Amino acid sequence: QQQVKQSPQSLIVQKGGISIINCAYENTAFDYFPWYQQFPGKGPALLIAIRPDVSEKKEGRFTISFNKSAKQFSLHIMDSQPGDSATYFCAVPNTGTASKLTFGTGTRLQVTL
Amino acid sequence: ETGVTQSPTHLIKTRGQQVTLRCSSQSGHNTVSWYQQALGQGPQFIFQYYREEENGRGNFPPRFSGLQFPNYSSELNVNALELDDSALYLCASSKLGLAGYTDTQYFGPGTRLTVL
Repeated sequence: QQQVKQSPQSLIVQKGGISIINCAYENTAFDYFPWYQQFPGKGPALLIAIRPDVSEKKEGRFTISFNKSAKQFSLHIMDSQPGDSATYFCAVPNTGTASKLTFGTGTRLQVTL
Repeated sequence: ETGVTQSPTHLIKTRGQQVTLRCSSQSGHNTVSWYQQALGQGPQFIFQYYREEENGRGNFPPRFSGLQFPNYSSELNVNALELDDSALYLCASSKLGLAGYTDTQYFGPGTRLTVL
């Protein structure tokens, strides 16, 4: 069974600051590394995902950095906003497809004014 | 494009009862996965259905079972409910293509199950 370690457990960032969340996994036979954002009472929503043929992917204020040799990937939120306050989950496929995911334990982000 | 929908939104049952949760997948998707999310935890994979058959299962006992219908909608059934079954149950749909390549999973809002 895939193990996924996510850190930190919680994070408080001032508005305009950079939020960084890290994820480490065990196995390498995967082709897809997503980050999900979840607001209270809602299901997780895909935020951004990367495939390991690239080391970085940027979409707006959100960037994924991928380090295959270290088996780690991270989420960077630039210019963090109060509306970014949510729980963030990294996920790794259980098999070689994107549809059976092992999730990290989550990071609760709070962006203060 | 219609997103993933789930029903009911909330449900209260007592220990030992049985429950059925329902999910309608996103238009164009042929695969449905179910996850259990305990409070303060990440979602845990229960099982997946593709072409009306179970296509992979996580570490959950047989009293968790499911169905997928020809229109790709799905049901999750849980028998002999236990207190620890209290959780948010999430359905996610995706499109399994040729050679096993799978597109992104899209989650529904979940069903909050409380077992008393």
